[in-house]
Amino acid sequence: SQQGEEDPQALSIQEGENATMNCSYKTSINNLQWYRQNSGRGLVHLILIRSNEREKHSGRLRVTLDTSKKSSSLLITASRAADTASYFCATDRGGSRLTFGEGTQLTVNP
Amino acid sequence: DGGITQSPKYLFRKEGQNVTLSCEQNLNHDAMYWYRQDPGQGLRLIYYSQIVNDFQKGDIAEGYSVSREKKESFPLTVTSAQKNPTAFYLCASNRQPQHFGDGTRLSIL
Repeated sequence: SQQGEEDPQALSIQEGENATMNCSYKTSINNLQWYRQNSGRGLVHLILIRSNEREKHSGRLRVTLDTSKKSSSLLITASRAADTASYFCATDRGGSRLTFGEGTQLTVNP
Repeated sequence: DGGITQSPKYLFRKEGQNVTLSCEQNLNHDAMYWYRQDPGQGLRLIYYSQIVNDFQKGDIAEGYSVSREKKESFPLTVTSAQKNPTAFYLCASNRQPQHFGDGTRLSIL
């Protein structure tokens, strides 16, 4: 079963605005990752945050992790039309596999 | 360039037919994965392999089979026992972060 649950399921914003997506999970994790999927394509890894980290940045991306609330957020600042995609969180609970959430569909309107 | 190649991009299956989806990687990764994605949904794990000649069932293995005879290749067979095979199939390599191919879209004729 999918551990991660993203919210909102869909988000529509204007270019230049910030986009925030959230991910909740149920059991303790080693790390949490965010991936992006353009329509009809494979997923692309964006960023990984370890369980002992609270915040991580990569370019216009900012990820936070709150292990006490079992939640993470992905913030995309100054969004562009090219950021339109689905965004998935994935949790590593140890072992050989990741567990992916249902995703947030982001639409950035020009 | 290094990467993961999935073929074909589109595939059609007739009733009672087995079809095989190809996944090849030249990234020298030990681990490989097959996922199924239904419209508007997340990824569900079908099978995974951590090393050559070894593989494990994921969450939805029924109606599917795999082999891992070479490090570079991890083909997925969708058998006639899979009654609802229409979906987007994604192959990935490396435990983490995972690297994905561009998928195969399977439909029923």
